[in-house]
Amino acid sequence: NAGVMQNPRHLVRRRGQEARLRCSPMKGHSHVYWYRQLPEEGLKFMVYLQKENIIDESGMPKERFSAEFPKEGPSILRIQQVVRGDSAAYFCASSPGVSGNTEAFFGQGTRLTVV
Amino acid sequence: GIQVEQSPPDLILQEGANSTLRCNFSDSVNNLQWFHQNPWGQLINLFYIPSGTKQNGRLSATTVATERYSLLYISSSQTTDSGVYFCAVEGGNQFYFGTGTSLTVIP
Repeated sequence: NAGVMQNPRHLVRRRGQEARLRCSPMKGHSHVYWYRQLPEEGLKFMVYLQKENIIDESGMPKERFSAEFPKEGPSILRIQQVVRGDSAAYFCASSPGVSGNTEAFFGQGTRLTVV
Repeated sequence: GIQVEQSPPDLILQEGANSTLRCNFSDSVNNLQWFHQNPWGQLINLFYIPSGTKQNGRLSATTVATERYSLLYISSSQTTDSGVYFCAVEGGNQFYFGTGTSLTVIP
C-alpha cells in the first residue's frame, strides 16, 4: 500500500511563474489536506478537500493560491505568479476521514524555491 | 483555533539517555498524533493517540484528554532519533501543529 505521493520533490520557479504541486492520497483515503512549512517553523494549515469539494480553505492566501481534488487524479495545489515569499515546503496529508479513524499520513513534501 | 504548545523547544541528549516531550492543547480534540520530522524533512507517523497509552519499541506515548496534554517518551536514545518532534491535534477541519521539539542526540 503506497503512502501519500507528492511530486515534484523539488521545484524551482522564477518570480511570476506558476507552480503546480501534486498529491496522490493513500489508497482508500478520500480526505486531503495541504500544509505549508516555512524554514524553522511548524506546519500551517492551508486547505482541506474531499473529492470534488473544498471543505475548508481558511488557511489559503486570498490571492494566487488555489486547490482542487478532482474525481479522478491527484489533488493539485496551484500557485500563480509566485513570489520569493512563497518559497517553502508544501506538505500534503490524507486520511480515511471515517468516524473513529482519522489518522493522517503525510507525503514527503514539495520544496518550492522561487528565484 | 486550538493552541498547541510543545516543550522543551530544544533538547540535546547523550546517546542512551531517556527523555520526555510534552504537548499541551487548549481544547477538546478528536485526534492527536505525534510525528518525527527527520533531517531530510520527511514526516514520520509515530503515534495516533487521542487517549490512553501506546508503546512502539523504545517510544511510548500517553494522552490524558481530560487534562489536555500528551507525553512522548523516548528511551535509550540513538543518533537516528535526532530531528524535530511535532504534536498535532485535530479540531474541526484541520490538524493544529505545535512548534515542535528539536532533538539532537550526540554519540
